[in-house]
Amino acid sequence: GQQLNQSPQSMFIQEGEDVSMNCTSSSIFNTWLWYKQEPGEGPVLLIALYKAGELTSNGRLTAQFGITRKDSFLNISASIPSDVGIYFCAGHINAGGTSYGKLTFGQGTILTVHP
Amino acid sequence: SAVISQKPSRDICQRGTSLTIQCQVDSQVTMMFWYRQQPGQSLTLIATANQGSEATYESGFVIDKFPISRPNLTFSTLTVSNMSPEDSSIYLCSVEYLTPDTQYFGPGTRLTVL
Repeated sequence: GQQLNQSPQSMFIQEGEDVSMNCTSSSIFNTWLWYKQEPGEGPVLLIALYKAGELTSNGRLTAQFGITRKDSFLNISASIPSDVGIYFCAGHINAGGTSYGKLTFGQGTILTVHP
Repeated sequence: SAVISQKPSRDICQRGTSLTIQCQVDSQVTMMFWYRQQPGQSLTLIATANQGSEATYESGFVIDKFPISRPNLTFSTLTVSNMSPEDSSIYLCSVEYLTPDTQYFGPGTRLTVL
């Protein structure tokens, strides 16, 4: 199936540091979504991106839809302990101008923040 | 976003039995989805459940093993049939709500098969 390559797989950082993670694909995407999943919970939508080049912020989080439509990044500024969790990128692949309905997920980035 | 609930939140089941998982949404939605998340893994789509039509299954998932019902625009069920330990996973429902291509997830059902 279609693959999203998400990196890094895990990050161990100190509180206050900035974090950056990204996803790349060989396919063109119509939509990029970033989710956070905490233990025992379902994924929570953080940011949704719908246009190439779009840059969107949500508090300390910033995400961009790559201009080639094949990549996206998520930045977290001034990390805090509650940022701990698994971050997933996901997206809809372009299929002839429309979205192929299946949402494709990256492998996830495990974030650990040391106080 | 829509409020999504799932029942049960977790269960421990015996091999060979079946479990039906319920997904309830507080708003009417056209598209509902069922995912499986195996331990330490990402999410994999099982099927798309649209009201008024049969569910559409992804490669590797079949209706006999994962029958799905979608009786109305706010509710769906997923049954995991004839379970084996390999079925131990988190099962998640999601909905496409307000904005096309944007999905919101329920809290998940944590299934352990002994």
